[in-house]
Amino acid sequence: NAGVTQTPKFQVLKTGQSMTLQCAQDMNHEYMSWYRQDPGMGLRLIHYSVGAGITDQGEVPNGYNVSRSTTEDFPLRLLSAAPSQTSVYFCASSLRQGWDTQYFGPGTRLTVL
Amino acid sequence: AQSVAQPEDQVNVAEGNPLTVKCTYSVSGNPYLFWYVQYPNRGLQFLLKYITGDNLVKGSYGFEAEFNKSQTSFHLKKPSALVSDSALYFCAVRDGSNTGKLIFGQGTTLQVKP
Repeated sequence: NAGVTQTPKFQVLKTGQSMTLQCAQDMNHEYMSWYRQDPGMGLRLIHYSVGAGITDQGEVPNGYNVSRSTTEDFPLRLLSAAPSQTSVYFCASSLRQGWDTQYFGPGTRLTVL
Repeated sequence: AQSVAQPEDQVNVAEGNPLTVKCTYSVSGNPYLFWYVQYPNRGLQFLLKYITGDNLVKGSYGFEAEFNKSQTSFHLKKPSALVSDSALYFCAVRDGSNTGKLIFGQGTTLQVKP
């Protein structure tokens, strides 16, 4: 069991570039989510999904897109990167709902210049 | 709206001493409360949760938390701190939606000194 995996671990982008952060889980979890972590602000929910084909916005969705074509994968797309998106991004999954125990990936540290 | 607050940015304790990391919450309805821990350069790990039942909840690594409804608090405790407990601790509360998203506090850094 690999749990929740994320790639890449580190990424540097220039303003305006696009990229996709990958997230996969092998626990057959229905609920998946993306958070960003910024100093002093805790974790803020970007987008979440309650199952394949179903996604919804969290607290800070602007500038990010998601899709959930399979149970296992939940990629996060940055359409046109901005310096304000410099952050550490975590993907998490849980069995059915957000309040089930969430399992977190190791994170992606993104810097936008 | 549901919210959670961690009033201390950092808590410093000596190894072997008891530790407390504070959390207060504001919810409508019954609270679902959680503690997660983040070790350096790692993702968060679940420690414990309160849904219903006993006010004292026991979790991983010897941690426990006390739910206090009158004070709207859910403080994390451990009788004897270890240097390896040094980490960033997050309190979280379930929001009121059907999907039960979590709302996290801003985190408290616990520093345990030898």
